[in-house]
Order: sequence, then C-alpha cells, then structure tokens
Amino acid sequence: GAGVSQTPSNKVTEKGKYVELRCDPISGHTALYWYRQSLGQGPEFLIYFQGTGAADDSGLPNDRFFAVRPEGSVSTLKIQRTERGDSAVYLCASSFSRGDSYNEQFFGPGTRLTVL
Amino acid sequence: AQTVTQSQPEMSVQEAETVTLSCTYDTSENNYYLFWYKQPPSRQMILVIRQEAYKQQNATENRFSVNFQKAAKSFSLKISDSQLGDTAMYFCASIPQGAQKLVFGQGTRLTINP
Repeated sequence: GAGVSQTPSNKVTEKGKYVELRCDPISGHTALYWYRQSLGQGPEFLIYFQGTGAADDSGLPNDRFFAVRPEGSVSTLKIQRTERGDSAVYLCASSFSRGDSYNEQFFGPGTRLTVL
Repeated sequence: AQTVTQSQPEMSVQEAETVTLSCTYDTSENNYYLFWYKQPPSRQMILVIRQEAYKQQNATENRFSVNFQKAAKSFSLKISDSQLGDTAMYFCASIPQGAQKLVFGQGTRLTINP
C-alpha cells in the first residue's frame, strides 16, 4: 500500500511569511508524529497525535508552530512569521497504536523548508 | 530524559568490507527499544534493525547485526559485506516502552566506495 506522503517536497519562503506543511499518513494508522531535522542533525520530536487530538506537543519550539489533524487522518503543520532558524527538513511519521507495545513509526520523505 | 550519542560523524569503507557504527545512550528506563535507521538522499527514514532492551540476544537482519551491551549502554551496528546501496546517513534512536517520542543521535554519514 501507499506509504506516508508529504507535500510539498520543498518549500522556499521569505522571513515573516506563513507556511503550511501537509502529511498524509498510512491508511488506518491512528498515531501521527512530526519531527524536525536541522542540517547535520538527527530528527527532533515536535508533536504527536492520537486520532484527532494532540497527545503530546512538548516539542513545539514556540507558539509560532501549530499542528492540526481535524479528521484523524491528514495533518497540517503551520508555522507563522517564519524565521531563518526554522529552515529544516520536517518529517512526518505514522503508526498503529496498540497499547503498551512499541508500534513502528513509518516515515515520509519530508518537506525541506528554506526561509530566506 | 533519554539521550543518544553517535561519536562518528563520517565513515568510509570499500565495498564488501565490514563496518561498525557506534552508538551510546543514556536512559533511566528499565524497558526500552533501540533502533538503527538509514536515511538515503531521498530523506526517507528506513528502519534497519531494532532491539528490545529486555532481550539479551543481539538482533540480526541479513547483513545487519547489532552488538547490544546493556550495562555499558552501547548499541553498535555491524554491516557485513557492505554494498554501494548502503551509502547513507545512519541514525541510532531509542524510545522507552509505552512512549511515543523517538530520540535520535546526531547521525553517521557512511560511504561505501567501489
């Protein structure tokens, strides 16, 4: 079946602009995750959704970052008043959620955001 | 809090050689999982191998195997008979059982030369 998809693949914007990044998870996956990967670094957790609700948003760096998942499937990461330091690859992942055991997170190809 | 450290920013070997990537971690949890992910230029993170901390036996997946030393909090990846397609960034990661956040190391850039 189809994997996790993310659009756009690349996004170039100017400082101060608003951007939206989209993630389509694997069908049937109830959990969805956003990570940010700065140049030369490993991914860092931003937010985790279980169904429609944000179960853990402790990784969001500040209130310019917001994410939604209104129907429990597609998610949008929204960044207001972008800054050059927001430039990174934004990765989305999804998984089944089956209680206490580990559920593999399947990653999308990411969106590379460049803020000029 | 969990931390994962990869001390080798880059490694390079010849095709068909064996290469070992190092990873150390720190956690206060008793039950957790450890992973190695591969990230090719396409950016998509691909799970290579995983290890449950409660299992003493080292995980293996074809040419990939790990050396899990729980007391030393070490988790190295061995790639045997390396192939050109193994060229990629490799990330070590950990997650406590029941948690949802993967914690990644800084990555090792592996180049397999023909």
